Amino acid sequence: QVQLVQSGAEVKKPGASVQVSCKASGYTFTNYGISWVRQAPEQGLEWMGWIRINAYNGNTHYAQKFQDRVTLTTDASTSTAYMELRSLRSDDTALYYCAREYAGSQVFDYWGQGTLVTVSS
Amino acid sequence: DIQMTQSPSSLSASVEDRVTITCRASQSINTYLNWYQQIPGKAPKLLISAASSLQSGVPSRFSGSGSGTDFTLTISSLQPEDFATYYCQQTYSTPPTFGGGTKVEIK
Repeated sequence: QVQLVQSGAEVKKPGASVQVSCKASGYTFTNYGISWVRQAPEQGLEWMGWIRINAYNGNTHYAQKFQDRVTLTTDASTSTAYMELRSLRSDDTALYYCAREYAGSQVFDYWGQGTLVTVSS
Repeated sequence: DIQMTQSPSSLSASVEDRVTITCRASQSINTYLNWYQQIPGKAPKLLISAASSLQSGVPSRFSGSGSGTDFTLTISSLQPEDFATYYCQQTYSTPPTFGGGTKVEIK
């Protein structure tokens, strides 16, 4: 069965960076893309960016809001996607989800369990 | 960016009630509209894609309709497990954007 398993919760200080991983199983990793969506406490869903996965590299597209601070990467050998967010601020405190999508459709049919990132001094 | 507006933001309903949630796009999005259900403490779950296409395994009491700018999610007979927050999402253009959510609570 398709599963996306994310890394555990993180606590970071303002100005630091965080990397969240998302390990995929149950499907051919290189046939789908991965998007990252975040949800601040008691708030709605916010798309951060998308990486298209193939065996050699991944094309990326970032939301303008995060363009300068986020990097999406993948490791096809381990079927793992990564999201790095830099220059963390308190308003980056949120649940970060990875989600599978097909052919750039941005329709998210499977989601990870979410990773809570807390930014606090 | 395309703005998605859901209404109501919350509603109270009883088991077996018929529930309707609406979603309006700031410009025409054809039928590039998806609906997700989020139970507290869980990740969102895709219910409906392309405005009206029910995902495999989703109960038939859920249905979606609409095109252009106005869309509807209907739950024909609300069940206890349906109490959740529902989000619409447009995928007509990048960035994909979500509505603010509709929280369905028990009356």
